[in-house]
Amino acid sequence: SSELTQDPAMSVALGQTVRITCQGDSLSSFYASWYQQKPGQAPILVIYGKNYRPSGIPDRFSGSTSGYSASLTITGAQAEDEADYYCNSRDSSGDHLVFGGGTKLTVL
Amino acid sequence: QVQLQESGPGLLKPSQTLSLTCTVSGVSISSGGYYWSWIRKHPGKGLEWIGNILHSGSTNYNPSLKSRVTISVDTSENHFSLNLTSVTAADTAVYYCARYSGTYVGDYFDYWGQGTLVTVSS
Repeated sequence: SSELTQDPAMSVALGQTVRITCQGDSLSSFYASWYQQKPGQAPILVIYGKNYRPSGIPDRFSGSTSGYSASLTITGAQAEDEADYYCNSRDSSGDHLVFGGGTKLTVL
Repeated sequence: QVQLQESGPGLLKPSQTLSLTCTVSGVSISSGGYYWSWIRKHPGKGLEWIGNILHSGSTNYNPSLKSRVTISVDTSENHFSLNLTSVTAADTAVYYCARYSGTYVGDYFDYWGQGTLVTVSS
């Protein structure tokens, strides 16, 4: 079992907004990072820290954190955003890394 | 441009040792400042962090795999390696190497290899 919990699946209508959440005790102390993974491809970093986007990531992707939860928001979802999304942070001890179980996002 | 490339056998028998190498280009491992990591993805499941290594050789492993995992680094060859002993079918996965950056604004895996499928089957 993962120390970071995500909803297994979500859906969003094309052009609408979706928030993907990640919950865990460690998130009150450490930021999460977020990764997009499409079938047959390596994950790519989309959000890290308080709310930073790597170069090349569209500004429709944003992040936030509150208490024991971190969120990835896609504002105006596009068809190409259909993918699995994973959060990553430290475990409750702070000594090791852990991924959330992933959220499969479907764009309708 | 930073690039990582995994290499190693794609098929193993139960009880054998999995050995993979990640060759890094575009940055010198010995320059420091980063953790070099292994991550895997079981078929139909999520990502699992295996462990990290620094250029100094200092390691940090997933507690659930620690008894079977060794990560090593060869700065002269600019690569790092994963050894996983006594494999079973449960170790069948796509194995990724990645660079992990720890900064004052957050920690993250910023560069990934393409991944290599390792299948354990008799």
